[in-house]
Amino acid sequence: AQKVTQAQTEISVVEKEDVTLDCVYETRDTTYYLFWYKQPPSGELVFLIRRNSFDEQNEISGRYSWNFQKSTSSFNFTITASQVVDSAVYFCALTEGDSGAGSYQLTFGKGTKLSVIP
Amino acid sequence: DTGVSQDPRHKITKRGQNVTFRCDPISEHNRLYWYRQTLGQGPEFLTYFQNEAQLEKSRLLSDRFSAERPKGSFSTLEIQRTEQGDSAMYLCASSSWQGAGNTEAFFGQGTRLTVV
Repeated sequence: AQKVTQAQTEISVVEKEDVTLDCVYETRDTTYYLFWYKQPPSGELVFLIRRNSFDEQNEISGRYSWNFQKSTSSFNFTITASQVVDSAVYFCALTEGDSGAGSYQLTFGKGTKLSVIP
Repeated sequence: DTGVSQDPRHKITKRGQNVTFRCDPISEHNRLYWYRQTLGQGPEFLTYFQNEAQLEKSRLLSDRFSAERPKGSFSTLEIQRTEQGDSAMYLCASSSWQGAGNTEAFFGQGTRLTVV
């Protein structure tokens, strides 16, 4: 069974601080994908990144960076120089990734609510 | 077509009534998913379609729930004899699967259902 754990329920930071959101996953599949989504108060889940299990390179996109470590089954997300607009709930998610008939259904963590205080 | 759209955005209904939600996916996407999200939780998978075929249903989808995607385009999710426990955000997502892999799923803004 797949499982995603986001141990941090809520985090508050002051604007311009860096913040790291933790994600730990469990799966028996050797091929899988990991995701981060942002859910602002409007409710829509906004896709941020997808990473497959064979690519452990860290990725940076502007103020966002992701650290994928298979050895610890973690896929952590760092926001550098946080801004008020970053305030949202962030979800880490996992899906199997073989090219067969898998549904690619996402298993989500419970989310981390980030509040950036001006 | 700029994204996944869901209608209505909000629905308040009395216990025992039937409700139906609609989802219009991104036009070129052949996969469509329904998820349910309760307060303080992550979304939970309900069901998905590839084109018009419903290929998988979660055990969360009781007999009172039915979903259709008659022409492989928009989808409807109906809940019969609603219960207070059905109160949640119902999210629709779509993606493209071409046999060599699946693109990431894009979500709509959801339909928030309140059963009173």
